[in-house]
Amino acid sequence: GAGVSQSPSNKVTEKGKDVELRCDPISGHTALYWYRQSLGQGLEFLIYFQGNSAPDKSGLPSDRFSAERTGGSVSTLTIQRTQQEDSAVYLCASSKTGTGVYNEQFFGPGTRLTVL
Amino acid sequence: ILNVEQSPQSLHVQEGDSTNFTCSFPSSNFYALHWYRWETAKSPEALFVMTLNGDEKKKGRISATLNTKEGYSYLYIKGSQPEDSATYLCAFGAGNNRKLIWGLGTSLAVNP
Repeated sequence: GAGVSQSPSNKVTEKGKDVELRCDPISGHTALYWYRQSLGQGLEFLIYFQGNSAPDKSGLPSDRFSAERTGGSVSTLTIQRTQQEDSAVYLCASSKTGTGVYNEQFFGPGTRLTVL
Repeated sequence: ILNVEQSPQSLHVQEGDSTNFTCSFPSSNFYALHWYRWETAKSPEALFVMTLNGDEKKKGRISATLNTKEGYSYLYIKGSQPEDSATYLCAFGAGNNRKLIWGLGTSLAVNP
């Protein structure tokens, strides 16, 4: 079946502009995660969703970052007034049930964001 | 502060060599340890999810062991092939409803 998809695959934007990144999880997966990987860094947790609610937003770096999920499916990560330090690969992952750490996560191909 | 450390940071081996690397994690409040493989230009892919002390899991030429009492897991690759070249990530779960804590990964390059 189809895996996790993300769009766009690459995004180049100017400092100060807003961007929206989209994630389509595997059908039926209730948990959805957003991560980012900056150059030379490990995977950084941003936020996860259980259904449409986000119990843990602790990883969002600032109030310029927000995310929503609708219909228990598609999620959008929005970055307002982008800064150069936001440049990174943004990865989305989904897992079958709940947010338990027992469940393997299925990752999308990522969106490479470059802020000029 | 929960911290996951992986060593070595990078590794170069020749085709046919066997290799192993380490993931260290806190030994308290352990729930699960994940291993993922991340090939360049692809998505991270789960290899193993391990939950019990003493667990050993195997997938083809790749295997992993888990010691929750001392807080480490080893990943072994037998007879490395160029297609094994990737970054291998481990992630620690402390508490069932907490997020995974990720290591920085071990970057493996297998020379033909």
